[in-house]
Amino acid sequence: DVKVTQSSRYLVKRTGEKVFLECVQDMDHENMFWYRQDPGLGLRLIYFSYDVKMKEKGDIPEGYSVSREKKERFSLILESASTNQTSMYLCASILSGSEEQFFGPGTRLTVL
Amino acid sequence: AQSVTQPDIHITVSEGASLELRCNYSYGATPYLFWYVQSPGQGLQLLLKYFSGDTLVQGIKGFEAEFKRSQSSFNLRKPSVHWSDAAEYFCAVTGTASKLTFGTGTRLQVTL
Repeated sequence: DVKVTQSSRYLVKRTGEKVFLECVQDMDHENMFWYRQDPGLGLRLIYFSYDVKMKEKGDIPEGYSVSREKKERFSLILESASTNQTSMYLCASILSGSEEQFFGPGTRLTVL
Repeated sequence: AQSVTQPDIHITVSEGASLELRCNYSYGATPYLFWYVQSPGQGLQLLLKYFSGDTLVQGIKGFEAEFKRSQSSFNLRKPSVHWSDAAEYFCAVTGTASKLTFGTGTRLQVTL
């Protein structure tokens, strides 16, 4: 079974803090994705990565950055958290050539 | 650009009744279409997918969906709903580079 894990289920941070959200997958998938999920807006793609050290902007990259130093790990970074970044963050991975993304359980981030 | 519309934000059905969740997509070429389910506090689980071939696809948990190119639709159906089906359902389309575009979701409530 593919497993995608996220470092925290719930996180509370203060405005201006630097926040790291970690995602790890155990199936050697090349492609990894970060989404945020908000009521009424569905899931929106923030960033994705095709390979180690490679990254591409998604639909809403502003205020975020990412890091992929190892194939199994994809980190989402909020350089200076703001209250409008309070959301559910979902990580996903997919094997190159496949079309089924596997999702982690999500991290619910609250920025005060 | 690709897009997905789920016109029903919230649907309530009685246990044992039939269910149809609507999904319309916009995509220039032949789409890959998906339905995901998200139970409370969980990540997304794939219910079914359409890539090509038979336009009626079967998924897990007794769900099926029918691809209708002429209507740009991919509606999800289940003949008899169980209380455990209460969740949020997302339709998605993928284009290049395995990037998924999601609809805004339909929340299903099941009454006993």
